[in-house]
Amino acid sequence: GENVEQHPSTLSVQEGDSAVIKCTYSDSASNYFPWYKQELGKGPQLIIDIRSNVGEKKDQRIAVTLNKTAKHFSLHITETQPEDSAVYFCAARKFTGGGNKLTFGTGTQLKVEL
Amino acid sequence: NAGVTQTPKFRVLKTGQSMTLLCAQDMNHEYMYWYRQDPGMGLRLIHYSVGEGTTAKGEVPDGYNVSRLKKQNFLLGLESAAPSQTSVYFCASSSSGTDTQYFGPGTRLTVL
Repeated sequence: GENVEQHPSTLSVQEGDSAVIKCTYSDSASNYFPWYKQELGKGPQLIIDIRSNVGEKKDQRIAVTLNKTAKHFSLHITETQPEDSAVYFCAARKFTGGGNKLTFGTGTQLKVEL
Repeated sequence: NAGVTQTPKFRVLKTGQSMTLLCAQDMNHEYMYWYRQDPGMGLRLIHYSVGEGTTAKGEVPDGYNVSRLKKQNFLLGLESAAPSQTSVYFCASSSSGTDTQYFGPGTRLTVL
């Protein structure tokens, strides 16, 4: 089955700096890669996603890049703000025609310090 | 529009007791999922359903059962709880036409 590795497990940055979180996946047939943000005491929420036919996607201060050859994808957050502090999860999915099963990484605790 | 709701929010069980976690969604989504979240292990899929009356096993299904008698509800059951099932449980739903999964607020379960 699919295996997703995520690094680092914790990341501390100064407000205004950039943050980068990296994930690798094992199944070359995976074609959809979402990123979820989980605030304390809440469920995860989708913040951005990318499909295998796209190399980069940007939404305001967040961007995701995908390297299919190397089987890795990354989340980039620029101009970090205190409200960006949360746990971030990457995930990968191989379309199988039955459901939308995601395999998640182990999460990155991002702390934005003032 | 409440989205995805979970009942209860917290629960403490003794080893061997049984319980049912309820997930409800009001978005008319076809797909529903149960995950467990443990420190350092991310979210792992327990069971999922692609429609009313259908269920399937995920990555870690042992010790759990599920039922989807109504499209809007997805129940997760523990017949004989074990300390290894202490975790935070999340329900999610998604439409068959899109990829986004919408998560509930979670249930924190402790098995003593």
